[in-house]
Order: sequence, then structure tokens, then C-alpha cells
Amino acid sequence: GNSVTQMEGPVTLSEEAFLTINCTYTATGYPSLFWYVQYPGEGLQLLLKATKADDKGSNKGFEATYRKETTSFHLEKGSVQVSDSAVYFCALSDHGDDKIIFGKGTRLHILP
Amino acid sequence: DGGITQSPKYLFRKEGQNVTLSCEQNLNHDAMYWYRQDPGQGLRLIYYSQIVNDFQKGDIAEGYSVSREKKESFPLTVTSAQKNPTAFYLCASTTMEGSVTGELFFGEGSRLTVL
Repeated sequence: GNSVTQMEGPVTLSEEAFLTINCTYTATGYPSLFWYVQYPGEGLQLLLKATKADDKGSNKGFEATYRKETTSFHLEKGSVQVSDSAVYFCALSDHGDDKIIFGKGTRLHILP
Repeated sequence: DGGITQSPKYLFRKEGQNVTLSCEQNLNHDAMYWYRQDPGQGLRLIYYSQIVNDFQKGDIAEGYSVSREKKESFPLTVTSAQKNPTAFYLCASTTMEGSVTGELFFGEGSRLTVL
């Protein structure tokens, strides 16, 4: 079955540090991949997406590239801010399947 | 403004009582979902519905029930059969296209605590 595995947190970084949160997936078809972000006390928001291999999703300085050969979709940001502190979820949607599968989430703390 | 509204935001109930969580959307979305979020577990799908009067079980449907009598509403009942109901519950919706592409719109969640 389909699944998403992402690095366990919490991840703690200083402001302006480089961020990578790893995500790998298993899918029977050709999924679309997503990163969602959850700020404290809120629901999830779509951060970025990629629908086919080699696509790069980007938003708010975050980027992730759909790598079919390594079945990965790692989230990166060159210089994090305190306001980036949140929980980040990697997710996939396998075309033709009604379900959207989420990873367990990675909590990110950015220190000023 | 368009969006998804969940209520109540916080709910306390005694063990053995049924509780119903409300989810309303005015985005004209066809598909609606209920997820449960526990620390370290991520999001787990409880039920989902793609059209009115139809819904499917997700991965952890036992102890829960839903209805979809109106397009804009998808209430979740946590029954006394749910063994560990204390959790954060998230409702989401999307278009039919989004149900395939995975672009969900989430409410702010309801935190249920069973005493």
C-alpha cells in the first residue's frame, strides 16, 4: 500500500539556518506529492505541491523536488525564520485513489 | 469569507457519552474528510465523503459515525464505542478534482478531551 515516511522531530535550528526535512514515499502508481504546514492551534495549510517527476514545488521560500528515482520529496529552505516554527507534513495522493496519505509530521523549532 | 468551520473548538465529555463535532463549509466543495491527529501519529483518516448521502470508512472508522445529508455539512459523532477518543479532530474539504490531486482545505480543528 501507499505510505509516507518523514524524519522524526523535533528539529531545532537557529534563525537563518538551512533547513532540510526528509520525506520518502511508497506508491503503487504515480502520485502527487505535497507539503502541508500546521501552525500552533490551527488546521493544516497546503505549503507546496508537485504532480510529476522532476517537478519542483515552491512557496514562501520553501522548495521540494519530486525525485522518482529516490522516491523522495525533501523540504528545504535556505534561511529559516522564527515564524517558520510549525509542524510540517509530507503527503501523497495516488491518482485514482480517494485517500490522501500523510506522514507523521515533523515539528520545527526556530530559535531567535 | 469562504472556509471551513469546525465547532466546538474545545470539548470535554465524560466517558461513555456520545459527542458530535460539527464541520461546515461554504466553499461548494464536493468531498469532505475527517482526520484524527495524535502526538507522534500524524493524521489518520476516519471517514470521507465525495457526494451527498454517501461516505466511506477510512483507516480508523471504528467507534465513529458520520452523515452527509447536505453538501456543506459533514458532522462526526464519536460514540462510546471509541476506546480512546481524546484527540484533535480535523475536518477538510476539496473539489472533486482536489480529491484526486490531494489539495485539501482544513478547518481549525476540534480538541476533544474525555474525562
